[in-house]
Amino acid sequence: AQSVAQPEDQVNVAEGNPLTVKCTYSVSGNPYLFWYVQYPNRGLQFLLKYITGDNLVKGSYGFEAEFNKSQTSFHLKKPSALVSDSALYFCAVRDGGTGRRALTFGSGTRLQVQP
Amino acid sequence: DGGITQSPKYLFRKEGQNVTLSCEQNLNHDAMYWYRQDPGQGLRLIYYSQIVNDFQKGDIAEGYSVSREKKESFPLTVTSAQKNPTAFYLCATTSGSTDTQYFGPGTRLTVL
Repeated sequence: AQSVAQPEDQVNVAEGNPLTVKCTYSVSGNPYLFWYVQYPNRGLQFLLKYITGDNLVKGSYGFEAEFNKSQTSFHLKKPSALVSDSALYFCAVRDGGTGRRALTFGSGTRLQVQP
Repeated sequence: DGGITQSPKYLFRKEGQNVTLSCEQNLNHDAMYWYRQDPGQGLRLIYYSQIVNDFQKGDIAEGYSVSREKKESFPLTVTSAQKNPTAFYLCATTSGSTDTQYFGPGTRLTVL
């Protein structure tokens, strides 16, 4: 079985400050990890993924995430937050060793960036 | 959202009715998925299809049915057996070459 935990329901940060949205995962095989963002009443937009290679992954809109195998974490980061980054963020995982490509999602973290 | 369309955007259902949600894609992806989103619970997998004429139950399939007669289309029927169908429904596809899942804009279903 695979699972994802996003321990914070909401993260508040001031515009211009760095932001971190936390994610830990559990999977029996090799983890394929993803971050998505959702704006109100919209579908999910892909931000970045880790499948293999460099532990630091860079994605869209200046976001990056670091894969840490020993801590089973994949935290999302951005050096300088924008008000327009305010949205709902989802971390997701799947077992790269299986044929089922469906993702298991965390419960989401709402990011609020204050001007 | 480009390449995946879902219709309608909003759908209202009376208790006891079956309704069908449409999902169409022009990305030529083999795999398609249906998720349900409830507040504070993330997304849960209803059904998925890895190839035409084949589909598998996900984690919460009870009260739902699907078909995959064409590569481009993966409609979801919410039956009267689904006791709490009010939710936001998201369709997705996966690119076999990039292993990335892409989502449609969603359908919000409300039971009156």
